[in-house]
Amino acid sequence: ILNVEQSPQSLHVQEGDSTNFTCSFPSSNFYALHWYRWETAKSPEALFVMTLNGDEKKKGRISATLNTKEGYSYLYIKGSQPEDSATYLCEGSSGSARQLTFGSGTQLTVLP
Amino acid sequence: NAGVTQTPKFRILKIGQSMTLQCTQDMNHNYMYWYRQDPGMGLKLIYYSVGAGITDKGEVPNGYNVSRSTTEDFPLRLELAAPSQTSVYFCASRVNEAFFGQGTRLTVV
Repeated sequence: ILNVEQSPQSLHVQEGDSTNFTCSFPSSNFYALHWYRWETAKSPEALFVMTLNGDEKKKGRISATLNTKEGYSYLYIKGSQPEDSATYLCEGSSGSARQLTFGSGTQLTVLP
Repeated sequence: NAGVTQTPKFRILKIGQSMTLQCTQDMNHNYMYWYRQDPGMGLKLIYYSVGAGITDKGEVPNGYNVSRSTTEDFPLRLELAAPSQTSVYFCASRVNEAFFGQGTRLTVV
């Protein structure tokens, strides 16, 4: 089982603040990293898939970076809005797409 | 555009009863997964399948069985329900990123 860790576990920010959180994973035999957004009472939805060291992906105010050599990925949200409130999951895979592990998520609450 | 469909959405079982959670996808994905989500926890992998006729255990397989007779369907079977199986269950399929069903909230009393 791949050890994927996310921090912080939860986060409260004010509307308009920018924020970021971390996903760490073993750097050896890295295959891919996925970020998902999971709203309460819904199912997770894919945000980004990242495979190459130095990858940077962006979708609106949300972006992510990947460092496979040191085994971490950052998710950034610029100018947080209440609708950004959700749990953000990362999922790591190594060796092959069969060996996938989710982190426990970062629960973001954006206060109006 | 159905994607991944799970049924039922909610179910209450008595201890010792059995049931099957249904999952079907119309995207022709080979990889399919069953996860459970316990309160305050992330997703734990129960079973997965890399194609029709092939299944394998995940992190928490005890108390569950699966089958994959077709590419589309990946049912999860609980034979003797226990209170520890109270959880929200998600089915997913993927090529790269995972597509999730809407979840099944199961309570065992």
